[in-house]
Amino acid sequence: EAGVVQSPRYKIIEKKQPVAFWCNPISGHNTLYWYRQNLGQGPELLIRYENEEAVDDSQLPKDRFSAERLKGVDSTLKIQPAELGDSAVYLCATSGLLEYNEQFFGPGTRLTVL
Amino acid sequence: QQQVKQSPQSLIVQKGGIPIINCAYENTAFDYFPWYQQFPGKGPALLIAIRPDVSEKKEGRFTISFNKSAKQFSLHIMDSQPGDSATYFCAAEGETSGSRLTFGEGTQLTVNP
Repeated sequence: EAGVVQSPRYKIIEKKQPVAFWCNPISGHNTLYWYRQNLGQGPELLIRYENEEAVDDSQLPKDRFSAERLKGVDSTLKIQPAELGDSAVYLCATSGLLEYNEQFFGPGTRLTVL
Repeated sequence: QQQVKQSPQSLIVQKGGIPIINCAYENTAFDYFPWYQQFPGKGPALLIAIRPDVSEKKEGRFTISFNKSAKQFSLHIMDSQPGDSATYFCAAEGETSGSRLTFGEGTQLTVNP
């Protein structure tokens, strides 16, 4: 079974530039999460999707961050414009009904904002 | 607001030792307590999890001890191996927290040969 796929794995941009991250979930997983993990810290939830609906986006900085999950499968997280403090690893995780509570994480995208 | 506090921040043991990582939580509505293991350049992976209706759960060399009254839980790794060297995160989740996993800050474990 293929795991959660994320791309790109690394991204370096100048501040004020836009950036987008892509996530392909495990087949059949209806719930999708985007987390941000700062260096030396645990992941923090940004947004959670149930199918195509964002059911928890209370931690998403909506002035510069946006996300979408078209057709309830792949998802994209965007930052525009990026700030220096956005440098972090952005993790996508998914879960399915059969593995209640267990979240499967992708390898993440390491973003560096210069 | 940090709802899950994890200690120690780092831990070094010899091969065969039993590292213990501790976590404390505040929200009494939490009802699911997983531990995740993360290797450099990888995403976290579920190691073992417990619910508050039991005080201990063991899977292979990994054991969770849970103390509901103290709102604490810990991870014990028996017969630790160099391959166990990784960062370990405790987490907590509950329906009233919107099924949102709240992670601790992580413990970097090094097992020396």
